[in-house]
Amino acid sequence: QQQVKQSPQSLIVQKGGISIINCAYENTAFDYFPWYQQFPGKGPALLIAIRPDVSEKKEGRFTISFNKSAKQFSLHIMDSQPGDSATYFCAASINAGGTSYGKLTFGQGTILTVHP
Amino acid sequence: EAQVTQNPRYLITVTGKKLTVTCSQNMNHEYMSWYRQDPGLGLRQIYYSMNVEVTDKGDVPEGYKVSRKEKRNFPLILESPSPNQTSLYFCASRRGVGGNQPQHFGDGTRLSIL
Repeated sequence: QQQVKQSPQSLIVQKGGISIINCAYENTAFDYFPWYQQFPGKGPALLIAIRPDVSEKKEGRFTISFNKSAKQFSLHIMDSQPGDSATYFCAASINAGGTSYGKLTFGQGTILTVHP
Repeated sequence: EAQVTQNPRYLITVTGKKLTVTCSQNMNHEYMSWYRQDPGLGLRQIYYSMNVEVTDKGDVPEGYKVSRKEKRNFPLILESPSPNQTSLYFCASRRGVGGNQPQHFGDGTRLSIL
């Protein structure tokens, strides 16, 4: 069964700290790993994404680290700000064909709270 | 402005009373889908559509129907709602079938079935 497991379920960080959210997957056919950010009352929005041919991708304060052999990937938020308080979802998809082509499988979500 | 619009945003109704949640996108996207979001379970796909008149089941399709008669619209139908369908629902669209494209979400519909 295609699954993406995300942890922790909730996270509290002080302003300026580093927030780290982890995801693990089973299906080695996954070849695209996005992170979505959701603010209260809004739908998720794409934050950053990575392909398995690279080990790290950085966009501003947000970095994805990818460990293909361990089948794990994580989101690091440096210098966390109160405005980063949101729910974060990791996801994975298969884009090389097959019956699951294009399906986006989401993790369980992490509620991040950054205290000022 | 590029957007996915869902209506209604909130609905409280009773068991068995048919309801429809509308979804419309203005980006000429081929792929559309519906998700439900429940605490601790993340986003689970209900149905998806690769194009007009092409729909298929996602992970949790029981109790739901969809149709795709026009490219921009993808309504979600609950013909006989039950309390276990109380949830936060999201419609989403993206340009093509490939999952490696940004997916755009509506702002959600919170359904309460009494």
